[in-house]
Amino acid sequence: NAGVTQTPKFRVLKTGQSMTLLCAQDMNHEYMYWYRQDPGMGLRLIHYSVGEGTTAKGEVPDGYNVSRLKKQNFLLGLESAAPSQTSVYFCASSHHRSSYNSPLHFGNGTRLTVT
Amino acid sequence: GQQLNQSPQSMFIQEGEDVSMNCTSSSIFNTWLWYKQDPGEGPVLLIALYKAGELTSNGRLTAQFGITRKDSFLNISASIPSDVGIYFCAGPSNSGGSNYKLTFGKGTLLTVNP
Repeated sequence: NAGVTQTPKFRVLKTGQSMTLLCAQDMNHEYMYWYRQDPGMGLRLIHYSVGEGTTAKGEVPDGYNVSRLKKQNFLLGLESAAPSQTSVYFCASSHHRSSYNSPLHFGNGTRLTVT
Repeated sequence: GQQLNQSPQSMFIQEGEDVSMNCTSSSIFNTWLWYKQDPGEGPVLLIALYKAGELTSNGRLTAQFGITRKDSFLNISASIPSDVGIYFCAGPSNSGGSNYKLTFGKGTLLTVNP
């Protein structure tokens, strides 16, 4: 099993450009999440999904959109990138509703730089 | 939202030393989780704690769920170079009754000198 796979691994954007980050999981998990990690800030939740066709806002959703058209995929979009979105983005998935019964499985991250 | 205060922010230790870090919250948590992030990778769950006072071990790692339910501790005994990484505490966010969103601490960066 590949687990959680994120593409691309690295990307450099200019301010105003758009891009989509792809997350794929092969564990048949219901729940998927997008986090960003910044130095000294830990992991902050951007958006999450509790099932195919559903999405919800997390702690820092502004400037991002998401879609969950297929259960195994969770896309994170930046319509007009800003330097403040320079970060490492992590996708995660979990099986059950209660996170303590079903730990998050993380991908290896996408390092995004916006110049 | 809920916030987790993790300390220390960073630690530099010699191989073989024991390590202790902690996490506190202003509100009660029903679950405490400890994750480790190796350089260049995503976090991986180390230990999960489900009730106050619980003490759980995973090899050289031991974690405790504080009696007040507002704190948790992680200890690493006899550290080795591969213990290097960022350690995060986390707990379920209870906003809106949901318990499937995790709040993470800011992490403790551990460096082990061989």
